[in-house]
Amino acid sequence: DVKVTQSSRYLVKRTGEKVFLECVQDMDHENMFWYRQDPGLGLRLIYFSYDVKMKEKGDIPEGYSVSREKKERFSLILESASTNQTSMYLCASNPTGASGANVLTFGAGSRLTVL
Amino acid sequence: AQSVTQLGSHVSVSEGALVLLRCNYSSSVPPYLFWYVQYPNQGLQLLLKYTSAATLVKGINGFEAEFKKSETSFHLTKPSAHMSDAAEYFCAVRSMDTGRRALTFGSGTRLQVQP
Repeated sequence: DVKVTQSSRYLVKRTGEKVFLECVQDMDHENMFWYRQDPGLGLRLIYFSYDVKMKEKGDIPEGYSVSREKKERFSLILESASTNQTSMYLCASNPTGASGANVLTFGAGSRLTVL
Repeated sequence: AQSVTQLGSHVSVSEGALVLLRCNYSSSVPPYLFWYVQYPNQGLQLLLKYTSAATLVKGINGFEAEFKKSETSFHLTKPSAHMSDAAEYFCAVRSMDTGRRALTFGSGTRLQVQP
């Protein structure tokens, strides 16, 4: 089974801190994604990457950056955490395929609280 | 632009009753459509997907969904609810008329199953 592992299940940070959320997948997937999940808003795409060192902005990239130095690892960075970034963060991956219908595999999520 | 609307943020049914969760999409061409489920304290997992083959799609745990182009809908159903079906359900779309590789998710529907 494909496994997507998010390093931290729960984090509590203070306003202004720099926060790193790490995600690793073990199935050689080209594409990796970061979503945030908020009640009533569903999942919103922050950033995604389709190759090493490649990244594209999603729908809500403001206040975030990402890094993909190795194929298996995709990091989400909050340069200066703010209280409105308190949320559940979900990492996902899938392979690139001709059909475009490749299923996303999700990690268990990282719940971030910014005080 | 692609978008997804899930009608009803909360749905409550009795055990053994029909489950109907509604999803409508907007896309200029028939998209790929997905239903994901999230059990408490877990990541999302795929229930089923539509990729332009049969319009009635069967998924795991007795769920199925029907793609109706004329109604731009992809509603999820299950004939008889079980207590273990209590979870949050997300509809997602990938429109093939854009270069966007990421899925767009709806706001989610939380299903409660009453004994």
